Amino acid sequence: DGGITQSPKYLFRKEGQNVTLSCEQNLNHDAMYWYRQDPGQGLRLIYYSQIVNDFQKGDIAEGYSVSREKKESFPLTVTSAQKNPTAFYLCASSVSGQDYAGYTFGSGTRLTVV
Amino acid sequence: DQQVKQNSPSLSVQEGRISILNCDYTNSMFDYFLWYKKYPAEGPTFLISISSIKDKNEDGRFTVFLNKSAKHLSLHIVPSQPGDSAVYFCAAASSGSARQLTFGSGTQLTVLP
Repeated sequence: DGGITQSPKYLFRKEGQNVTLSCEQNLNHDAMYWYRQDPGQGLRLIYYSQIVNDFQKGDIAEGYSVSREKKESFPLTVTSAQKNPTAFYLCASSVSGQDYAGYTFGSGTRLTVV
Repeated sequence: DQQVKQNSPSLSVQEGRISILNCDYTNSMFDYFLWYKKYPAEGPTFLISISSIKDKNEDGRFTVFLNKSAKHLSLHIVPSQPGDSAVYFCAAASSGSARQLTFGSGTQLTVLP
């Protein structure tokens, strides 16, 4: 079955540490996205990538970094520069082009800074 | 500045009745709209979409209506079932952009048995 896998489901981090969230898809989608969800707020775009080896900042990229070395993988690093990293992180992918079929989302990673 | 707004954070309806979830947008460049459903600790799943060339799209119990002049869309669920209890996100996209979706803040629907 095709889909998106995010790991781990829960992650705890000490203040001052970087942490990397994994996102892998086997849907052969060109585009991948990272969103952050906070209570009472919509999904806010962190970074997106339309093609391998290329990515763009979203609305709230500060304190985050990404890479897209393979089509299937789009890991997100939450750096110590991110002031409020505790949140629910969602990865998504989509077919690039004019076929607006929507996004396929992973099941998310809940990051807690302790 | 929120370009997609869902002004009702929560909605409760009785099982079997109609649920109506509303969404407003401000960006006139948006020409494609989607609804996603999300259960706790899971990612959102695609529910239904509508292009700006239409004003209605139906899929089983779910119907989305688009009023372009009012920049308003709504999702109707008839009849509502307890399994429909979830957070519903409205999202919008512009064909002129790089296919990024802009999401609303979500509405928690609770269907009471």
